[in-house]
Amino acid sequence: AQSVTQPDIHITVSEGASLELRCNYSYGATPYLFWYVQSPGQGLQLLLKYFSGDTLVQGIKGFEAEFKRSQSSFNLRKPSVHWSDAAEYFCAVGARSNDYKLSFGAGTTVTVRA
Amino acid sequence: NAGVTQTPKFQVLKTGQSMTLQCAQDMNHEYMSWYRQDPGMGLRLIHYSVGAGITDQGEVPNGYNVSRSTTEDFPLRLLSAAPSQTSVYFCASSYRSRGQGSNEQFFGPGTRLTVL
Repeated sequence: AQSVTQPDIHITVSEGASLELRCNYSYGATPYLFWYVQSPGQGLQLLLKYFSGDTLVQGIKGFEAEFKRSQSSFNLRKPSVHWSDAAEYFCAVGARSNDYKLSFGAGTTVTVRA
Repeated sequence: NAGVTQTPKFQVLKTGQSMTLQCAQDMNHEYMSWYRQDPGMGLRLIHYSVGAGITDQGEVPNGYNVSRSTTEDFPLRLLSAAPSQTSVYFCASSYRSRGQGSNEQFFGPGTRLTVL
């Protein structure tokens, strides 16, 4: 079975600074990988996803993520953070043999300071 | 399209009470699923369905029942609520990929349940 680890529970970043959120997965083959964002009191919204091909994936709101097979990682990045990026971020992995079941990480809460 | 809708938004139950959390989607998605979200644990899959009349257990199914009589609706039933079921519940749906890559799951706004 697949699993996801998000090592950082909470990150604080200044507005305008860069942001990187870590995600490590465990799966025996190339997985499907996702990043979701959850604003306070809201449901989850998809930021980006990786299925195959180019390992650098562009998403919405200026986010990007890079799939590194050798490191089993799928880290999320944003060059310049806005106050509206304060939210909880979830990495998720899906298996190619069972693509409708996702395993989520515990989440990383991002606080943006002025 | 309304997307994925969930009712109620908030609910308080007493231990032993029963209730049904409603979930509906208007996107003709084959897959629907229920997750619970607890602090520090991310989202955990409770039950899922790959189509009308077909359901299966996820990671944490105990204490919950589901059925799927139509494509649109996927209710989650708590037969005898326990304080351990205090959580935020999310319903999600997606298309079946048919080998073309896993599809985005669309989430509802959630139901915040407190069991006293």
